[in-house]
Amino acid sequence: GENVEQHPSTLSVQEGDSAVIKCTYSDSASNYFPWYKQELGKGPQLIIDIRSNVGEKKDQRIAVTLNKTAKHFSLHITETQPEDSAVYFCAASTSGSSNTGKLIFGQGTTLQVKP
Amino acid sequence: NAGVTQTPKFQVLKTGQSMTLQCAQDMNHNSMYWYRQDPGMGLRLIYYSASEGTTDKGEVPNGYNVSRLNKREFSLRLESAAPSQTSVYFCASRTGQGNHEQYFGPGTRLTVT
Repeated sequence: GENVEQHPSTLSVQEGDSAVIKCTYSDSASNYFPWYKQELGKGPQLIIDIRSNVGEKKDQRIAVTLNKTAKHFSLHITETQPEDSAVYFCAASTSGSSNTGKLIFGQGTTLQVKP
Repeated sequence: NAGVTQTPKFQVLKTGQSMTLQCAQDMNHNSMYWYRQDPGMGLRLIYYSASEGTTDKGEVPNGYNVSRLNKREFSLRLESAAPSQTSVYFCASRTGQGNHEQYFGPGTRLTVT
């Protein structure tokens, strides 16, 4: 089955710097890759996603890139702010899961943005 | 519109006790999911219900049962709790119909002693 590996497990940056979180997946049939943000004491919330027919997607300060050949995708946050501090999860879903919506999550990255 | 609600927020059980975690969504979503979150292991799918009337096992179903009571409600039952089931449990829902986004509840923190 699908396996998703996420690195690093913790990341500390200065406010205003960029942060990059990377994930690799094992199932070449995976075609949907979301990123979720989890603030302390809350459930995860979708912040951006990308499908396998797209190489890059941007939404203001966040962007996701996908390399299907290498089977990895990354989250980029520019001009980081203290409110970006949270746990970030990547996930993958296969075309066979289009009806079930099953997601396989990475292990999570704790991002700390220092003022 | 409350989204996804979960009860209780916190629970402490003794080994061998049973309990049911409740989840409800008011977004008319077709699919619902139960995850557990453990440090360093991300979110792991326990059971899911792709549509009303169906349930299927996820990655870590052992020791759990589920019931899709109706379109709104999806409960998770621990018949005989074990310390290994100490975790934070999240319920999520998805509209389906080609939309992959899952909406998560606030979680239930369960401790089994």
